[in-house]
Amino acid sequence: GAGVSQSPSNKVTEKGKDVELRCDPISGHTALYWYRQRLGQGLEFLIYFQGNSAPDKSGLPSDRFSAERTGESVSTLTIQRTQQEDSAVYLCASSLSDQETQYFGPGTRLLVL
Amino acid sequence: SQQGEEDPQALSIQEGENATMNCSYKTSINNLQWYRQNSGRGLVHLILIRSNEREKHSGRLRVTLDTSKKSSSLLITASRAADTASYFCAPAGNTPLVFGKGTRLSVIA
Repeated sequence: GAGVSQSPSNKVTEKGKDVELRCDPISGHTALYWYRQRLGQGLEFLIYFQGNSAPDKSGLPSDRFSAERTGESVSTLTIQRTQQEDSAVYLCASSLSDQETQYFGPGTRLLVL
Repeated sequence: SQQGEEDPQALSIQEGENATMNCSYKTSINNLQWYRQNSGRGLVHLILIRSNEREKHSGRLRVTLDTSKKSSSLLITASRAADTASYFCAPAGNTPLVFGKGTRLSVIA
């Protein structure tokens, strides 16, 4: 079936605006992850959803960041009042369970001017 | 969550040479996974080794796991320019699988 998809592919926004990034996981995958990757850096864990359990939000850098997931389907990562340091590639991944192989989407490249 | 720490941070070798990357972690695991990333896009799963395995092969890849030392290594034999990428390990235990900073491998033709 289809892999993980993310939209938009690229987003340019002005400082102070809110943005929403979308992730469509592989059907049947109960676990969903969001990561941030700044240019030339490693992955930075943001948030993790597993089934109906409360999400692990331990990686969110500030209260401007939030994410939701509807059941075991689509997830939306929202960044409010964007700052220039939010510029990065935002990657989403899903897996059958939290111990198994993660499948990554192509990412959303966010540029905050 | 637990993340692995890859070593070295960067590695540059000639085509045809072998490349070895190491990973250390802190707590007990069920399995450990290695991933590759090209050009800042999504990571691609390479190989998974379970905690009761000591070595695993996949093509030119060889992964070892030493649970007593809480470490793993990834060996790429006969490297090619196309192997140039960042490599990440991810130890999977009782907490979500997360990723560290990776090893940036450059294979020079």
